[in-house]
Amino acid sequence: AQTVTQSQPEMSVQEAETVTLSCTYDTSESNYYLFWYKQPPSRQMILVIRQEAYKQQNATENRFSVNFQKAAKSFSLKISDSQLGDTAMYFCAFMKEEGNTPLVFGKGTRLSVIA
Amino acid sequence: GAGVSQSPSNKVTEKGKDVELRCDPISGHTALYWYRQSLGQGLEFLIYFQGNSAPDKSGLPSDRFSAERTGGSVSTLTIQRTQQEDSAVYLCASRPPGGPQHFGDGTRLSIL
Repeated sequence: AQTVTQSQPEMSVQEAETVTLSCTYDTSESNYYLFWYKQPPSRQMILVIRQEAYKQQNATENRFSVNFQKAAKSFSLKISDSQLGDTAMYFCAFMKEEGNTPLVFGKGTRLSVIA
Repeated sequence: GAGVSQSPSNKVTEKGKDVELRCDPISGHTALYWYRQSLGQGLEFLIYFQGNSAPDKSGLPSDRFSAERTGGSVSTLTIQRTQQEDSAVYLCASRPPGGPQHFGDGTRLSIL
């Protein structure tokens, strides 16, 4: 079975600064996907970024980038130029490549961006 | 609408009552998932549907929980004889072939 661990229950960052959220996972699969989802108080889960395990290049989406270390089973999220609207819960998630298997989520990191 | 639609947005009911939660996925999405998010926790998988295949029910916590997906589109999650530990946000997601999961806004269920 796969597990996802987010070791930082809460973090805070000053507006315009950079913050990194940690995520590690455990799997015996060789092909899989990794995701970061954002959940603001509105409850909707919003996809921030995804990474295919077979790709060595780290995914980037505007101010969001990941540091994917496959051998270490680490998948951290870096948010640059933090904005007040980035305040939310952030969930790291794993999905096997095969079939339409469900996402396995970490317990989340609550990020507060401070003005 | 363009997104995954869930109803009701909030549901308050008494312990022992049955509840039905509805999910309307994005058109063309073949896979549909139900998750449960208890207070302060991550998301826990409940059940998923893929096309006409038998659903994967491996995440359902008890036989009081069941789900249907009619015509490969709308899904209903039913909880019978609700208990206080069933209080949570129930999230539905749908997924196109080869794409990521898209989530609805969830139903907040409160059992009194």
